[in-house]
Amino acid sequence: RKEVEQDPGPFNVPEGATVAFNCTYSNSASQSFFWYRQDCRKEPKLLMSVYSSGNEDGRFTAQLNRASQYISLLIRDSKLSDSATYLCVVKTDSWGKLQFGAGTQVVVTP
Amino acid sequence: ETGVTQTPRHLVMGMTNKKSLKCEQHLGHNAMYWYKQSAKKPLELMFVYSLEERVENNSVPSRFSPECPNSSHLFLHLHTLQPEDSALYLCASSQNPGQSYEQYFGPGTRLTVT
Repeated sequence: RKEVEQDPGPFNVPEGATVAFNCTYSNSASQSFFWYRQDCRKEPKLLMSVYSSGNEDGRFTAQLNRASQYISLLIRDSKLSDSATYLCVVKTDSWGKLQFGAGTQVVVTP
Repeated sequence: ETGVTQTPRHLVMGMTNKKSLKCEQHLGHNAMYWYKQSAKKPLELMFVYSLEERVENNSVPSRFSPECPNSSHLFLHLHTLQPEDSALYLCASSQNPGQSYEQYFGPGTRLTVT
């Protein structure tokens, strides 16, 4: 079983719509959770951390469900510039080893 | 953005060649990482260096040899690679491994082994 699993998509989203997708992780001892964003042929960049109580950053909302071992990302009022691959990332030990999912591709269309 | 730079950006090499990838970070970080990213696969952590000491070697074949001469520079020496080693190699840095949740990535070296 993969450490971090994501639906690869693509999620085709009309501009202005809402899109949400999940990620599941296998290690129940995982400590921290993040969403990174990777544009086509570019490097990954941190989008936001995911806190236990859920958190928002503008149009982006992240949720964590430790009991079911999944995290989610919701994007409201999608913009064309939101088109990217969203990487689910889980920190599993004190050394900060990060486990990356393979990513969920989001395509926002006019 | 030039926080983490990598050279070369593209590299084509034969299986008998020896080449090196270079990474430099200008962020004053103490930890540096090498990752491999193959198409449609998750990033695979290869090596972690903290204050120039290797702290993680993720079962990487010996044909990949890292070197970290100081906290700002990281190299990946390549020799006798296989075609399946073709991938995007990403370097990253963070303040220190324990707080590595925000890793800053370089643009990567796209490697093709022929």
